Amino acid sequence: QKEVEQDPGPLSVPEGAIVSLNCTYSNSAFQYFMWYRQYSRKGPELLMYTYSSGNKEDGRFTAQVDKSSKYISLFIRDSQPSDSATYLCAMINMDSNYQLIWGAGTKLIIKP
Amino acid sequence: EPEVTQTPSHQVTQMGQEVILRCVPISNHLYFYWYRQILGQKVEFLVSFYNNEISEKSEIFDDQFSVERPDGSNFTLKIRSTKLEDSAMYFCASSEAVAATEAFFGQGTRLTVV
Repeated sequence: QKEVEQDPGPLSVPEGAIVSLNCTYSNSAFQYFMWYRQYSRKGPELLMYTYSSGNKEDGRFTAQVDKSSKYISLFIRDSQPSDSATYLCAMINMDSNYQLIWGAGTKLIIKP
Repeated sequence: EPEVTQTPSHQVTQMGQEVILRCVPISNHLYFYWYRQILGQKVEFLVSFYNNEISEKSEIFDDQFSVERPDGSNFTLKIRSTKLEDSAMYFCASSEAVAATEAFFGQGTRLTVV
């Protein structure tokens, strides 16, 4: 079983829609959960990170962690064509090492 | 806004040749990382570096790879004898804290081994 699973998509939605992006993981020791956005042939850009369970909001973005289900989500409200990118989740288990363990990334397309 | 810069943006090299990928981390950051992403695959951790020494490395980071901070600002990744399977995007990242929860990534160097 892969440590972090993420549907590669593509996920295509109309402009203005609410987008839900998700990752599941198998290692219950993960403590930090990150979401990165990556435009084509560019480096990952950190959107937000959360520690443990709960929600965190930043503008149009909301990150949600459910540790009991080993499931994390990123919601994008009022999606814009400029949100079209690949969204990667990443996690850290600080009890063993400090490496980012990545999902495969979901390609998101926002249609005008 | 401070950023991590990487050079070159694209490097083409012949198999067996040595390459050096360069990175300038954000100036007040103390932890430095190299990651790679083979086309269509996940981002993979290579190595982390702190206080002028490697703090962690992955199985990918074998004897063909080395890192160095030669002058207090640059952070380099050297591949001694490149193989076709080394073709990938190589990302440098830096962070203030030991856990890369807020790591900032460079734009990447696309390495093509022919």
